[in-house]
Amino acid sequence: GAVVSQHPSWVICKSGTSVKIECRSLDFQATTMFWYRQFPKQSLMLMATSNEGSKATYEQGVEKDKFLINHASLTLSTLTVTSAHPEDSSFYICSARVPGHNEQFFGPGTRLTVL
Amino acid sequence: AQKITQTQPGMFVQEKEAVTLDCTYDTSDQSYGLFWYKQPSSGEMIFLIYQGSYDEQNATEGRYSLNFQKARKSANLVISASQLGDSAMYFCAMREGPSNTGKLIFGQGTTLQVKP
Repeated sequence: GAVVSQHPSWVICKSGTSVKIECRSLDFQATTMFWYRQFPKQSLMLMATSNEGSKATYEQGVEKDKFLINHASLTLSTLTVTSAHPEDSSFYICSARVPGHNEQFFGPGTRLTVL
Repeated sequence: AQKITQTQPGMFVQEKEAVTLDCTYDTSDQSYGLFWYKQPSSGEMIFLIYQGSYDEQNATEGRYSLNFQKARKSANLVISASQLGDSAMYFCAMREGPSNTGKLIFGQGTTLQVKP
């Protein structure tokens, strides 16, 4: 099946620093990717829709200046958590829909811990 | 209001038995899609099964089947012949609108534990 990768799989950073997470579609082109956040024992919450070549669409309550999304190519979307704080510690997971298919495939996720 | 509701926070099932995980949804769209994903402790989201709103037959994928009752707005997942490796968190999700929109809304999840 389609493969979506994420890098890094985990990251620990100091409060106030910025962290970039990459999401790649490995064997298909994804014009749209999605970024979710999941706190422990909770469900996935959609943060934003990443559109290749245009601005991301953010869900209500998600700060676009804090969570910068760039979708510069058909296989790569990046999420940058700027000036990270401990409350940003979470599991960040991206997904992409395979064109022409209903399935949406997820990356393995990135566990962010902000000290 | 919750768009996707999973009322069972946790479930136990004996190995080799079947189990049903409940999911109800709320939408006014005529075109929508329903998904089930498995999330083991590693965190990855594993796609299990998909049901389109216009599909007349219930979807099946190996040991997984989706009991789609459109009038009741329910999309329960049935896992037959449970295995120890089925122990995980299970999420029901809905995509509103046509497939090219893609955005998924997730339920709260159900933790399934398979007993040997």
